[in-house]
Amino acid sequence: DAGVIQSPRHEVTEMGQEVTLRCKPISGHNSLFWYRQTMMRGLELLIYFNNNVPIDDSGMPEDRFSAKMPNASFSTLKIQPSEPRDSAVYFCASSLGWQETQYFGPGTRLLVL
Amino acid sequence: ELKVEQNPLFLSMQEGKNYTIYCNYSTTSDRLYWYRQDPGKSLESLFVLLSNGAVKQEGRLMASLDTKARLSTLHITAAVHDLSATYFCAVDIYSGNTPLVFGKGTRLSVIA
Repeated sequence: DAGVIQSPRHEVTEMGQEVTLRCKPISGHNSLFWYRQTMMRGLELLIYFNNNVPIDDSGMPEDRFSAKMPNASFSTLKIQPSEPRDSAVYFCASSLGWQETQYFGPGTRLLVL
Repeated sequence: ELKVEQNPLFLSMQEGKNYTIYCNYSTTSDRLYWYRQDPGKSLESLFVLLSNGAVKQEGRLMASLDTKARLSTLHITAAVHDLSATYFCAVDIYSGNTPLVFGKGTRLSVIA
C-alpha cells in the first residue's frame, strides 16, 4: 500500500495568496484527519471526516481555513488568504475508524512570506 | 475535556542508559497509542495498548498501560543514537465525537 499521500510536499507562497493542500487517504480507510504542527503550538487537530462527512471542525483556526472531502479518496485543505502565521507543517492522517490507529502522510511544509 | 500530559518534554540521555517517558491522561480510557516522529519526518505508529495491564515491546522500547492510574509509560533500555526522535502518546476516550487526543510529545536526544 502506498500509504497516505500528500501534495505538495513543500509550498512557498506570499501573504494573501490562496493555498490548497491535498490528501489521498489509504484505500479502505473511513476517517481522515488534518493536523497542523508548529514548534510553538505542537500538533493541532484542525478537522476530521468520517465517511466523507466533516465531524468536528472546531480546530480550524478561522474562516480563512476550509476543508472538503468530495469522495473517499481525496481531501483538500484550503487557506484563503494565507498569512505568515499559517506557516507550519500540515499533516493528513487516515484510519479505518475514527478511533483507530491513525496513519500519517509525509506532510506539507508551508511557508507564507 | 480530555487532557494528555507527557513528561518530560525534553530528554537528553547517554547511550547505554535506561529511561522512562510518562503519559498521564485526565479521563477514563483503555486505549492508548504511542507514535514516533523523526526530525523533519512524519509520525509513525509504534504501539497500540488496548487494555489495562497491556505491555508491548519492540527492540529497546517497551510500552505499558495502567488504566486505573491513567498512566502509560514508554521505557527505553540501553539507549542508542537511533532512538533520538520525538515520542507522542495519544489517548482514545470512546465518547462523543472526540478522536485521539495527542500529548505535546517528548523530544529525546541520545548522546554518546
